[in-house]
Amino acid sequence: QKEVEQDPGPLSVPEGAIVSLNCTYSNSAFQYFMWYRQYSRKGPELLMYTYSSGNKEDGRFTAQVDKSSKYISLFIRDSQPSDSATYLCAMSARTGGFKTIFGAGTRLFVKA
Amino acid sequence: GAGVSQSPSNKVTEKGKDVELRCDPISGHTALYWYRQSLGQGLEFLIYFQGNSAPDKSGLPSDRFSAERTGGSVSTLTIQRTQQEDSAVYLCASSILGETQYFGPGTRLLVL
Repeated sequence: QKEVEQDPGPLSVPEGAIVSLNCTYSNSAFQYFMWYRQYSRKGPELLMYTYSSGNKEDGRFTAQVDKSSKYISLFIRDSQPSDSATYLCAMSARTGGFKTIFGAGTRLFVKA
Repeated sequence: GAGVSQSPSNKVTEKGKDVELRCDPISGHTALYWYRQSLGQGLEFLIYFQGNSAPDKSGLPSDRFSAERTGGSVSTLTIQRTQQEDSAVYLCASSILGETQYFGPGTRLLVL
């Protein structure tokens, strides 16, 4: 079993839809939870960062962490064609020196 | 404000040759990571440097791979006797402590 599981998609939605991206994990020591966006032929870009459980909102993006269920989500409201990219979840813990584990990434296509 | 830079951006080499990939982290970031990303795959951890501590080399796939970080700043990833399966995008990331990482654009390596 992988430490972090993420459905690779692809996920195709119409413009304006609400997108839900999810990851599950097995290591209860994880404390830091990140979402990265990666456009084709570019490096990953940090999108959202959450410490421990809870919600965090930034514009059209909301990140949720449920440590009891070992489940994290990223919601994108009013999705735009420019949101088309691969979204990678990532998580780390202070124990183990912040070694970060990444999900496989979900490819998202937003159709105009 | 300079981000993480990597060079070269693209490298084509012949099987059996050695290659060196360079990473310039964000100034002041003590943590530096190398990852490999194959086509359509997630990020594969290679090696992690944190300050003056011994690097975590647990992700290096074989002894043909090595990395060093001079003066706590620039890092070089060396692949000796390259093989076709080494073809991938090599990504470097830096972080203040390790909890969130900022990625460079990557080096696309093609071994013929």
